[in-house]
Amino acid sequence: DVKVTQSSRYLVKRTGEKVFLECVQDMDHENMFWYRQDPGLGLRLIYFSYDVKMKEKGDIPEGYSVSREKKERFSLILESASTNQTSMYLCASLGADTQYFGPGTRLTVL
Amino acid sequence: AQSVTQLDSHVSVSEGTPVLLRCNYSSSYSPSLFWYVQHPNKGLQLLLKYTSAATLVKGINGFEAEFKKSETSFHLTKPSAHMSDAAEYFCVVSIPRIMTTDSWGKLQFGAGTQVVVTP
Repeated sequence: DVKVTQSSRYLVKRTGEKVFLECVQDMDHENMFWYRQDPGLGLRLIYFSYDVKMKEKGDIPEGYSVSREKKERFSLILESASTNQTSMYLCASLGADTQYFGPGTRLTVL
Repeated sequence: AQSVTQLDSHVSVSEGTPVLLRCNYSSSYSPSLFWYVQHPNKGLQLLLKYTSAATLVKGINGFEAEFKKSETSFHLTKPSAHMSDAAEYFCVVSIPRIMTTDSWGKLQFGAGTQVVVTP
């Protein structure tokens, strides 16, 4: 079974803090993705990566950056957290034609 | 460009009755289509997928979906709802792997349909 894990299930941070969300997959997938999920909006793509050190902006990259130093790990970085970044964050990795999702990190920014 | 519209934000059904979740899509390419389910406080789980093989696709937990190109639809059905089917369901469109574009593998999600099952 494909396994995608995320470092935290719940996270509470303060405005202005730098926040790191980590995602690890164990299937040697090349493509990995970060989404945020908000009620009524479904999932929206923040960034994705198709290889180590390679990244592309998704639909809503503003306020975020990413890091992919190793194939199995894809990190999402909030350089200076703001309250409008309070959300559920989901990581995924791409198999043959299917994305497999982690359990999500619910981030609250106070 | 590709997009997906889930026609109902909430669906309420009685246990043992059929479930129908409606999804329409638009895509510049021959799409791959997926249904994912998300139970409360859980990650997304793949229910089923259509990738240009049979138009009637069977998934897990008794769900199935039919791809209708003429109607640009990919509705999800289940003949008899169970209490454990209460969850949020997402219809998703993707550019398939055979297409050589820089958007390969990207997904477009619908807004979701919340399913409530009453005893």
